[in-house]
This record gives sequence, C-alpha cells and structure tokens, in this order.
Amino acid sequence: DTAVSQTPKYLVTQMGNDKSIKCEQNLGHDTMYWYKQDSKKFLKIMFSYNNKELIINETVPNRFSPKSPDKAHLNLHINSLELGDSAVYFCASSQIRTGASYEQYFGPGTRLTVT
Amino acid sequence: QKEVEQNSGPLSVPEGAIASLNCTYSDRGSQSFFWYRQYSGKSPELIMFIYSNGDKEDGRFTAQLNKASQYVSLLIRDSQPSDSATYLCAVNMEYGNKLVFGAGTILRVKS
Repeated sequence: DTAVSQTPKYLVTQMGNDKSIKCEQNLGHDTMYWYKQDSKKFLKIMFSYNNKELIINETVPNRFSPKSPDKAHLNLHINSLELGDSAVYFCASSQIRTGASYEQYFGPGTRLTVT
Repeated sequence: QKEVEQNSGPLSVPEGAIASLNCTYSDRGSQSFFWYRQYSGKSPELIMFIYSNGDKEDGRFTAQLNKASQYVSLLIRDSQPSDSATYLCAVNMEYGNKLVFGAGTILRVKS
C-alpha cells in the first residue's frame, strides 16, 4: 500500500531524447509536487498542482512540462534532455488546509541519467 | 542570504549521546517548519513538524522553534547508529506557499 509511487525508478537516456516520469498518490491529498535533487543533494521545488491546477511554477526550462490528469496523478515530461538534467526527481503530495500545515510526503524518486 | 541555512556537517556523535541539529530561515512570516531524514539513495522521510514557538517532543525527537530568532532545531536523544543520515530542514515560506529546503546536515552516530 505505497502512499506515493513513481515510475520508473531509474531512467538512463541519451541527450536530445524526450522522457516522462509518472507519479501517483493514494493518500487522498489535493496537492502534488515535483522536486529535483542535484548531485549536491540540494532539494528544490519545480512545480506544484492543487486539484489539477498549477500553483507553483519555479524557474524551470520550458523543456519541462508537468501534467495532472487528476488530483491523484502528476506526470513530468522532459523534452530534449540535456546532461544537466541528470538528477533524482522526487514527487511529493500534501493536503493543503487552512492554517499552516503543509506536511509533504515523498515518493521513492526517479534517478535520471543523461549520457 | 540563503532562505534556509543548515550546517552541512558532518556532525559526529557517539552512540547514546544527544545530537543537536540547527536551522535558520530568512522569511520572518514563515509559519510551518519540518524536519526530514534522508538515508543515502532514499527519499526524504518526514520525522517532525512544528508550528508554534517552543518545544515539541515525539519519542526520541524534539523539535524546537524560536520565531523571534528565526531558528528551528532538532534534538535526537539516545542517538543510534541507525540515525546516521542527512537531516533536511524545510520551511513553508509565507510568500509563494511552498516548502524551501536547507542543504541538509549529515549526522554520523558512531558505535
């Protein structure tokens, strides 16, 4: 009964290719996120969707395009992959409510290697 | 100035000791504060969150928040080798409604 799942776990591809990562959560949360963790282990938010609506869009190249078909799924498509895109990509989810509670729960991550 | 700052470590403590991890943040309007533990090659795991000034205890973990000093800490009592990991401080910034993570502190508990 995995709470936040991602596929694939590993992705090795060549420069210039297009690839997608999928995320699903069964926690009943209304908000999902994509994070990138680089080689220095710094975790940075890329996008966030609340009930299928994009609410956070950080400074990320246009080659990255998130899609949320429903509030339990958030996918990340990357066009024209570059060497610098190599990183671990984490999906997370939370339930936004009034007040200040935003506990986020993370998926297992997708390690993307661009050669 | 970085938004969330942590000492990168490594912080080495002997087994059974108290490990003290510190974090400062820049946004005075921040309301929610989180500590995540990340083992090598694994995803961040939420271990504590705190919203009010003071201490919050959960088992061997105590989170401490001082909003006036813009400071949040995590104490781990009776440290075990299994506590060896990177500890990430995360702050829900008032602007942008998002979590900002520090770079993490590596903790090593030696038996």
